[in-house]
Amino acid sequence: DQQVKQNSPSLSVQEGRISILNCDYTNSMFDYFLWYKKYPAEGPTFLISISSIKDKNEDGRFTVFLNKSAKHLSLHIVPSQPGDSAVYFCAARETGANNLFFGTGTRLTVIP
Amino acid sequence: DTAVSQTPKYLVTQMGNDKSIKCEQNLGHDTMYWYKQDSKKFLKIMFSYNNKELIINETVPNRFSPKSPDKAHLNLHINSLELGDSAVYFCASSQRGLNYGYTFGSGTRLTVV
Repeated sequence: DQQVKQNSPSLSVQEGRISILNCDYTNSMFDYFLWYKKYPAEGPTFLISISSIKDKNEDGRFTVFLNKSAKHLSLHIVPSQPGDSAVYFCAARETGANNLFFGTGTRLTVIP
Repeated sequence: DTAVSQTPKYLVTQMGNDKSIKCEQNLGHDTMYWYKQDSKKFLKIMFSYNNKELIINETVPNRFSPKSPDKAHLNLHINSLELGDSAVYFCASSQRGLNYGYTFGSGTRLTVV
């Protein structure tokens, strides 16, 4: 039973435009959410996170939004750059736990 | 200086063999993990190991056994390999109280033929 879902396996965006990657979760015990970026033949690398006490966290071109009532979060990348082309994984963690639950990822392609 | 290193990067082996994947972290983290990424790209936890406490995902076959000689190493041993074990295996580490999640290794692509 997948507790973190990324329903869009792929997304293509023109360079300079906004990329919006979506993630839904089912477990109301999740209190911390993370986005990871993965290039081919490499492990996922941490990108940005958000605690459940916030609804927005921004870091440069990357902003994560959390809607707890909808159990939904999204990652906005603006402006998108070709180097952003990668697979993005959403992850979530329960209160007091270390284990992360991952979505299946969304492959973002930024077209020059 | 690689923070989390896994060896080998690629492993091709025949059904029925026993193999090990090694993982080392130099970050001083107190918890290490093994994740499996299957053909559907789903990253699923197999084990976590913290201060000699091993937490096993109950869906993992007992042919898989983690071995941790010390806090910086968590190796994965697999007995009697099956075709369905083919996947990418990721090692990761984390430190309690630090909210940036895990640091992952680059993965080991295991192919069982």
